[in-house]
Amino acid sequence: EPEVTQTPSHQVTQMGQEVILRCVPISNHLYFYWYRQILGQKVEFLVSFYNNEISEKSEIFDDQFSVERPDGSNFTLKIRSTKLEDSAMYFCAGQGPGGGYTFGSGTRLTVV
Amino acid sequence: DQQVKQNSPSLSVQEGRISILNCDYTNSMFDYFLWYKKYPAEGPTFLISISSIKDKNEDGRFTVFLNKSAKHLSLHIVPSQPGDSAVYFCAASSGNTGKLIFGQGTTLQVKP
Repeated sequence: EPEVTQTPSHQVTQMGQEVILRCVPISNHLYFYWYRQILGQKVEFLVSFYNNEISEKSEIFDDQFSVERPDGSNFTLKIRSTKLEDSAMYFCAGQGPGGGYTFGSGTRLTVV
Repeated sequence: DQQVKQNSPSLSVQEGRISILNCDYTNSMFDYFLWYKKYPAEGPTFLISISSIKDKNEDGRFTVFLNKSAKHLSLHIVPSQPGDSAVYFCAASSGNTGKLIFGQGTTLQVKP
């Protein structure tokens, strides 16, 4: 069964450093999303991406965040200057023509 | 702003019995509801969904009931199995293409 692949599985970074989280969606997916889950809290929407542009973003998704799909396959989330409170599990998700949502297994980001 | 609420943080049932997980929502614009299962260090896995034009959807051991007037949905698992032990998230969206709003999750433990 097709999967959404996320790398790395765990990223530790110094506060203030830039991180790039990577996702390879399923090939026929049209809509792409990033969500995050801070430990012990619920899964929160960050941003949706369709037709090579952001279609919606949450309040969390401020100027420190950006998304790209540079080569038509990889879908990346960049955090320019990480803060301690950015520590969370980050999930990529894709949605195909039928509307089915598939999540990746996540990247655990730890900011120290 | 908790648009989707799962008021029971945990539930414990005996193997073979029915598990009932509940979810309430406040936004009347939601028209698509989903249940996800999540294990630690993994992404949410889709279980079952329901459109607002229906009041019941069944898939094997899983049945979701939707009561639009009460803005309430529930997931029934019968019979429950120890492998069902996980965190269950209710999620909602407006339209079947779009961001998901998640509840806080309910941890289900099925005892042998």
